[in-house]
Amino acid sequence: KQEVTQIPAALSVPEGENLVLNCSFTDSAIYNLQWFRQDPGKGLTSLLLIQSSQREQTSGRLNASLDKSSGRSTLYIAASQPGDSATYLCAVTRANAGKSTFGDGTTLTVKP
Amino acid sequence: DAGITQSPRHKVTETGTPVTLRCHQTENHRYMYWYRQDPGHGLRLIHYSYGVKDTDKGEVSDGYSVSRSKTEDFLLTLESATSSQTSVYFCAISDGLAGGTGELFFGEGSRLTVL
Repeated sequence: KQEVTQIPAALSVPEGENLVLNCSFTDSAIYNLQWFRQDPGKGLTSLLLIQSSQREQTSGRLNASLDKSSGRSTLYIAASQPGDSATYLCAVTRANAGKSTFGDGTTLTVKP
Repeated sequence: DAGITQSPRHKVTETGTPVTLRCHQTENHRYMYWYRQDPGHGLRLIHYSYGVKDTDKGEVSDGYSVSRSKTEDFLLTLESATSSQTSVYFCAISDGLAGGTGELFFGEGSRLTVL
């Protein structure tokens, strides 16, 4: 059974700081890994999708990396802003299956 | 944004009553999913569909049923709601793994309270 862990559960940083969020998974037979953002009371917004054959994806100030062999992914946020405050979740989709497993998320607070 | 509409967005009901949540998509994606999100449990898969009339159970399917008679609609039914089913329910869609990216897109959620 795939297990996905996100550490830390919560993170508070001053504005402008670069930060890294971590996601680890137990089964390396994955199809893709996806990072989401969730604001309070809202749905999940897709940030970055990394296919199993890829090592990283970038979108603006966000960069996500994937190391299947070690079962790890990181989400790097450059020059953080108060508007980045949200919960960030990662999800892993199993190869040959249509189901995904989610981590519990990291709640990020960026202080002005 | 992916065209996913959930209805109702908020519902309060009483224990023992039936409840149906609807998910409608305009993306023509093959896969549709129902998740529930609860504090301390994260997102858990209830049921999913991989085509019209093709559905399968997720990890927390007891007490729930689903139907998919059209590509664009996926219904989640609580036959007899219980207080433990108070939750926020999310619908998600995906183009699947066979030739698709498998990227998940989520609706805005339906908040259900069972009294």
